[in-house]
Amino acid sequence: GDSVTQMEGPVTLSEEAFLTINCTYTATGYPSLFWYVQYPGEGLQLLLKATKADDKGSNKGFEATYRKETTSFHLEKGSVQVSDSAVYFCALDRGGADGLTFGKGTHLIIQP
Amino acid sequence: KAGVTQTPRYLIKTRGQQVTLSCSPISGHRSVSWYQQTPGQGLQFLFEYFSETQRNKGNFPGRFSGRQFSNSRSEMNVSTLELGDSALYLCASSLGGGGQGYEQYFGPGTRLTVT
Repeated sequence: GDSVTQMEGPVTLSEEAFLTINCTYTATGYPSLFWYVQYPGEGLQLLLKATKADDKGSNKGFEATYRKETTSFHLEKGSVQVSDSAVYFCALDRGGADGLTFGKGTHLIIQP
Repeated sequence: KAGVTQTPRYLIKTRGQQVTLSCSPISGHRSVSWYQQTPGQGLQFLFEYFSETQRNKGNFPGRFSGRQFSNSRSEMNVSTLELGDSALYLCASSLGGGGQGYEQYFGPGTRLTVT
């Protein structure tokens, strides 16, 4: 079946550091890929998406590129802020009976 | 536009009871999906409704059921509650259904605690 793998963390960085959160997936066909963010006590917020190979999704300084050849969708940000502290989920949507398939989530902690 | 709303936000129930959770999607969205989030299993898909029809269902027992009304509002029901049903239940709405690249917008969730 479909699956998404990402580092669980916690990942601790200093403010203004460069961020990479790795995400790889296993799925047949051409799924749509998403990054969601969850702040404490809240639901999930869509951060960015990509629907086909080589697409780059971007939002609020975050970027991720859909790499079909490496089945990856790594999240990057050039300079993180304390307010970026949250849990980040990589997800895929291939349709069918599984809805969105999520990774386990990466807990990101940004220290001032 | 108002976002996805879920009621109640918190719920405490006893084993063996049943519970109904409610979700109001973003105006104009016809698809509503439900997910269960637990520390051990992470986020798992429960089911999706589109135009009042259940279109997809995840791997959960029959105690978990749902429905969608003509105004796209959705409810999910869990009967004969077990301790393992304690979780955050998230509802998500989208314009279209799965596999088409539509963005799913999530509500704040209902935190269910079973004692």
